[in-house]
Amino acid sequence: GENVEQHPSTLSVQEGDSAVIKCTYSDSASNYFPWYKQELGKRPQLIIDIRSNVGEKKDQRIAVTLNKTAKHFSLHITETQPEDSAVYFCAAANTGTASKLTFGTGTRLQVTL
Amino acid sequence: GAVVSQHPSRVICKSGTSVKIECRSLDFQATTMFWYRQFPKQSLMLMATSNEGSKATYEQGVEKDKFLINHASLTLSTLTVTSAHPEDSSFYICSASTGQINQPQHFGDGTRLSIL
Repeated sequence: GENVEQHPSTLSVQEGDSAVIKCTYSDSASNYFPWYKQELGKRPQLIIDIRSNVGEKKDQRIAVTLNKTAKHFSLHITETQPEDSAVYFCAAANTGTASKLTFGTGTRLQVTL
Repeated sequence: GAVVSQHPSRVICKSGTSVKIECRSLDFQATTMFWYRQFPKQSLMLMATSNEGSKATYEQGVEKDKFLINHASLTLSTLTVTSAHPEDSSFYICSASTGQINQPQHFGDGTRLSIL
C-alpha cells in the first residue's frame, strides 16, 4: 500500500518568514495530493491540493509543488502569521481506487511573534 | 455546501459499553464514507471504507467485529465501537465523498471517545 513520509515533525518560524513542509510517497499510482490544516481537537481542513498532471499550484500565501519522478511534494507558506500555527498533514490518494487518503505523520507549525 | 455532520462530538463511558457514532452528509449524497482514528499527537489512520449498500472494507489490523460499520443510505454511515475498552479511547473522524472523480473528501467534526 501507499506510504507517506512527512518532514519536519515540528517547525518554528518567526512571523513573516516562510515555512516549507516536505512529503514523499511510495505508490507511483497516487495522483492526488491534498494538504490539510488541523487545529487542536478539530477537523482537518483542506487548504490546497494538487493533482499529478500539474507541477505547481498557488493560492495566495500557500503553494504546493509536486515532483512525480522523485515522488515528493511540498507545501510552502509565505509571510507566515500567528494564525497559521497548527498541525499540517499531507496526504496521497489514487483517485481510481475509492480515493482513500494515506496521511503523512504531520508537522506542528509554530509561528512566533 | 458539502457539509458533513458527525455526532456525538464527545462521549465518556464505562469500559464494556458499546458506542455508536453517526456521520451524515447534509447537502450531498455520499456513495463512499471513510472512518479514521487519530490518537493524541498522531496522524489520521484510516480504519475502513464504507460504500452505500455494501459491506465495509477494513484496513489491515482493524477488527471488523469490534468496529461495526453500517452505510445504509447515501447520507448516513455509522460506526459502532463494541465492548469499548480504555485503549479504544481516541478521536474518531469520518469523511464523505460523492465518489466522483476530482471531488475531495469532506470531514466531519470528529468524536472524542473516552473510555473509563
